[in-house]
Amino acid sequence: EPEVTQTPSHQVTQMGQEVILRCVPISNHLYFYWYRQILGQKVEFLVSFYNNEISEKSEIFDDQFSVERPDGSNFTLKIRSTKLEDSAMYFCASRVGTSGSQETQYFGPGTRLLVL
Amino acid sequence: KQEVTQIPAALSVPEGENLVLNCSFTDSAIYNLQWFRQDPGKGLTSLLLIQSSQREQTSGRLNASLDKSSGRSTLYIAVSQPGDSATYLCAVRPISNTGKLIFGQGTTLQVKP
Repeated sequence: EPEVTQTPSHQVTQMGQEVILRCVPISNHLYFYWYRQILGQKVEFLVSFYNNEISEKSEIFDDQFSVERPDGSNFTLKIRSTKLEDSAMYFCASRVGTSGSQETQYFGPGTRLLVL
Repeated sequence: KQEVTQIPAALSVPEGENLVLNCSFTDSAIYNLQWFRQDPGKGLTSLLLIQSSQREQTSGRLNASLDKSSGRSTLYIAVSQPGDSATYLCAVRPISNTGKLIFGQGTTLQVKP
């Protein structure tokens, strides 16, 4: 069964460094998302992406964050200058379309980011 | 602003029991509601999606109901098994074009053999 994949599974970085988290969504999916989950807290929406542009972003998704779909398969989240509070599990998700079961969002296994 | 709440935060039951997990949301203007399972340190596995026009969805031993007007959903697990032990998350999709999900904090279920 197709699944969303994410790399790396774990990343440790120093405060102020740039990180790029990578995702390969399910191949026929058209809508892409990044969420994060700080340890012990709710899963929070960061950004949605469709047709090669951001369709919505949360207040968390400030100028330090960017997303890109550089080719037909990868979807990346870049944090330009990491802060301690960026430490979290980052999830990528995707869905096919806009009706019925096509609305189901499928999540990747996550990248655990630790900023020291 | 949409808020999603799940009660209880944790639940421990003996194997074989039927159980109900609750989810409530403050704004009934939703497009759909999705239930997920999360194992410790892992990603989210989609269990069921209920459209706003539906009352119920079933998958195996799982049955999810939705009462949009009262802002409630329940996840019923029949004949619970130790393998059902996990955190169960409820997420609503507000009516919008972007499809973002707003999550509850989850119910952590332990099923004892």
